[in-house]
Amino acid sequence: NAGVTQTPKFRILKIGQSMTLQCTQDMNHNYMYWYRQDPGMGLKLIYYSVGAGITDKGEVPNGYNVSRSTTEDFPLRLELAAPSQTSVYFCASSTSFGSSGNTIYFGEGSWLTVV
Amino acid sequence: EDKVVQSPLSLVVHEGDTVTLNCSYEVTNFRSLLWYKQEKKAPTFLFMLTSSGIEKKSGRLSSILDKKELFSILNITATQTGDSAVYLCGDNYGQNFVFGPGTRLSVLP
Repeated sequence: NAGVTQTPKFRILKIGQSMTLQCTQDMNHNYMYWYRQDPGMGLKLIYYSVGAGITDKGEVPNGYNVSRSTTEDFPLRLELAAPSQTSVYFCASSTSFGSSGNTIYFGEGSWLTVV
Repeated sequence: EDKVVQSPLSLVVHEGDTVTLNCSYEVTNFRSLLWYKQEKKAPTFLFMLTSSGIEKKSGRLSSILDKKELFSILNITATQTGDSAVYLCGDNYGQNFVFGPGTRLSVLP
């Protein structure tokens, strides 16, 4: 049971470098999300997508970009990495809008350090 | 955007103690209240609450929602060291989820 899979799990970036965090889910969920979690803090929504070809900004989108070309994949791109982007990144997915609420499923997380 | 507040932010107890974790939320387009356990990796699902006054139980854990007071609690009885984790409360509003900062529970032997 794969669920939500993220890669890489750990990465060290130099300031100004770019990279893409990959995320794929095999549950046929329409909704996908990227969160970041700073030490001792809650989850902050970066971007989300309600279906292939549709993305929207969350609470902290600056410095990031996303795309959703397929239902399964939702990569997160960091352009010009900055130390403030040092964080743990979680990709997540959930079923479509339903009357009684949905459960959100998380990937294992990607630990990113920018030095 | 909805806001979720959790208390306490940190709690240290001894094995066998009972703990109550609190979560309050604002409602804009509330659909459900979620509890997750996080142990240095991805949050794992505990409960989803949508109706007031109906307790959900899973072993030593239980949770209940008060939609009038916009409040939920998570109870853990007879705590064990394996319960040590951060417990996240989340609000599913519209098509999004917002999470509180979490309560860090440490259970000492």
